[in-house]
Amino acid sequence: ETGVTQTPRHLVMGMTNKKSLKCEQHLGHNAMYWYKQSAKKPLELMFVYSLEERVENNSVPSRFSPECPNSSHLFLHLHTLQPEDSALYLCASSLSGPGAGEKLFFGSGTQLSVL
Amino acid sequence: GQNIDQPTEMTATEGAIVQINCTYQTSGFNGLFWYQQHAGEAPTFLSYNVLDGLEEKGRFSSFLSRSKGYSYLLLKELQMKDSASYLCAVRDSNYQLIWGAGTKLIIKP
Repeated sequence: ETGVTQTPRHLVMGMTNKKSLKCEQHLGHNAMYWYKQSAKKPLELMFVYSLEERVENNSVPSRFSPECPNSSHLFLHLHTLQPEDSALYLCASSLSGPGAGEKLFFGSGTQLSVL
Repeated sequence: GQNIDQPTEMTATEGAIVQINCTYQTSGFNGLFWYQQHAGEAPTFLSYNVLDGLEEKGRFSSFLSRSKGYSYLLLKELQMKDSASYLCAVRDSNYQLIWGAGTKLIIKP
């Protein structure tokens, strides 16, 4: 148990569906991250929130929409996804923002399949 | 461009020693991380190196040579539970984390 919980663990959706991924951290951290992990590829940083403000958006398509209502919760809203978006989506947190150089605490991820 | 290279897959025998290499070309350097990820589970932090040399933590050690852009993770007295993917990540001059694709380690009895 890393202190970061993601739901659901698995999600299958059609290209016209709308769904949301949820992440909650119980560590009192101030920064939260969304990563995409595809097979045999490096982790891709999607979004970073520090103290509930988005500090990074790495050219992610608009069909992915993040939301950070407070420092403990992070959502990723999905709509009109493509089959190439099928991947493991990982949430992570750190005590301070990304510039502090601290280690990340990851959730177990949501395995997403887009049909 | 920035790049992290590590072997895709390695196989080792229970009780033996294995070394997983990581080479990097990045814009600056502010530390190197190793994470372990069991299948279907969260990546978990193993080690952090920012100065040259060897950091030992139980059965696991991590080495860094900044001049060579090189690190390795050394696992001793391998156990079946060490079967996992090992991720190398470098923090560049902008404190961005650059990730390798991971090394899948298979332990055989």
